[in-house]
Amino acid sequence: EIVMTQSPATLSVSPGERATLSCRASQSVSSNLAWYQQKPGQAPRLLIYGASTRATGIPARFSGSGSGTEFTLTISSLQSEDFAVYYCQQYNNWPPLTFGQGTRLEIK
Amino acid sequence: QITLKESGPTLVKPTQTLTLTCTFSGFSLSTSGVGVGWIRQPPGKALEWLALIYWDDDKRYSPSLKSRLTITKDTSKNQVVLTMTNMDPVDTATYYCAHKRPRGGDYDYWGQGTLVTVSS
Repeated sequence: EIVMTQSPATLSVSPGERATLSCRASQSVSSNLAWYQQKPGQAPRLLIYGASTRATGIPARFSGSGSGTEFTLTISSLQSEDFAVYYCQQYNNWPPLTFGQGTRLEIK
Repeated sequence: QITLKESGPTLVKPTQTLTLTCTFSGFSLSTSGVGVGWIRQPPGKALEWLALIYWDDDKRYSPSLKSRLTITKDTSKNQVVLTMTNMDPVDTATYYCAHKRPRGGDYDYWGQGTLVTVSS
């Protein structure tokens, strides 16, 4: 099973600033990685797939990069609606599909 | 417009079997490449993938839960059913069904989720 590790667990950033979230895989997942955003009481929302492709309707301030074992989600200028929990998920070697433990992005 | 909605009991007793139904619209599970999966999330914890069924009735399960899970589909009703046997309090979670993006392993549309509590 591929283990996904996200860092940091909590990130405090001011609105308008840049946020950088990391995700590491225990073995290579190529570019088969997705990012999700989850707000309290809501289902996850797909942001990025294929490590760097924005899903339909996702603003350009969200970008993904990386391949192999190291991945980054960058939010270029934080808006109030961006404060949430973010999860990465690999789909290169499954079952099982595996998720990271999440990064909570909070207002500084 | 793709939508999914989970339904089932909100409370089950330990050792009982849980049956959840995902009713969807906006796509057909008879279309090549389409899949519907189940993912769960214990309160305050991370997401855990459970199972996936494809348009051709191919099925995939989480190895750690495979002995307890069964996923089926009813294409005519636009439904996917997940059963989980021998429920335990650690299975308390919000259970989501989701549409797998074609040609990918990620999920682009999710139901609202249903909270299932396991308690005597």
